[in-house]
Amino acid sequence: AQSVTQPDIHITVSEGASLELRCNYSYGATPYLFWYVQSPGQGLQLLLKYFSGDTLVQGIKGFEAEFKRSQSSFNLRKPSVHWSDAAEYFCAVIPGGYSTLTFGKGTMLLVSP
Amino acid sequence: KAGVTQTPRYLIKTRGQQVTLSCSPISGHRSVSWYQQTPGQGLQFLFEYFSETQRNKGNFPGRFSGRQFSNSRSEMNVSTLELGDSALYLCASSFRTPGGSGANVLTFGAGSRLTVL
Repeated sequence: AQSVTQPDIHITVSEGASLELRCNYSYGATPYLFWYVQSPGQGLQLLLKYFSGDTLVQGIKGFEAEFKRSQSSFNLRKPSVHWSDAAEYFCAVIPGGYSTLTFGKGTMLLVSP
Repeated sequence: KAGVTQTPRYLIKTRGQQVTLSCSPISGHRSVSWYQQTPGQGLQFLFEYFSETQRNKGNFPGRFSGRQFSNSRSEMNVSTLELGDSALYLCASSFRTPGGSGANVLTFGAGSRLTVL
């Protein structure tokens, strides 16, 4: 079945340390790929997206993500985490065409001092 | 430029009642999508509207319905509320048109938090 998998439900990172959040998808072709962030009590904010071209994409707030076709992955990274990055992060895909956005289950990021 | 506005932000209902949630998209956006977010099921697609027509529908019972007006504002309605309908309901808008190229990049509102007692 087509799906988006975020294998880590929770991740704790020390402030200033690097971060990598994992995302894998299972679709036949390369879908459109997104990362969204949700702070408590808020809606979803788009961090970055990948449609085609350069497989390393830059987003807002210092985040980047790398698309790896061979691994069907789109992992999110940040070199140095700030306490304000604590939130829930969602990977999402659009399989293609005029289809809907499908989300992973999310990864909750906790930042320790 | 104003973002996606959802009202009300919070509401409490009892089982059996109905509820209507409202969404005003970003100016110029004609596509509106609705999602339900719960701790157990995560983010699930409800439906999508463009030009007052439902274009896509998720796997929800008929108690969940929606509509879109000529000014692109959208409402969703849930009838005969059940405890399991307690959730954050998120609305998103985009400028994508059916048959257009490129992906549907959604901008989300802050959501309407529904509690069913």
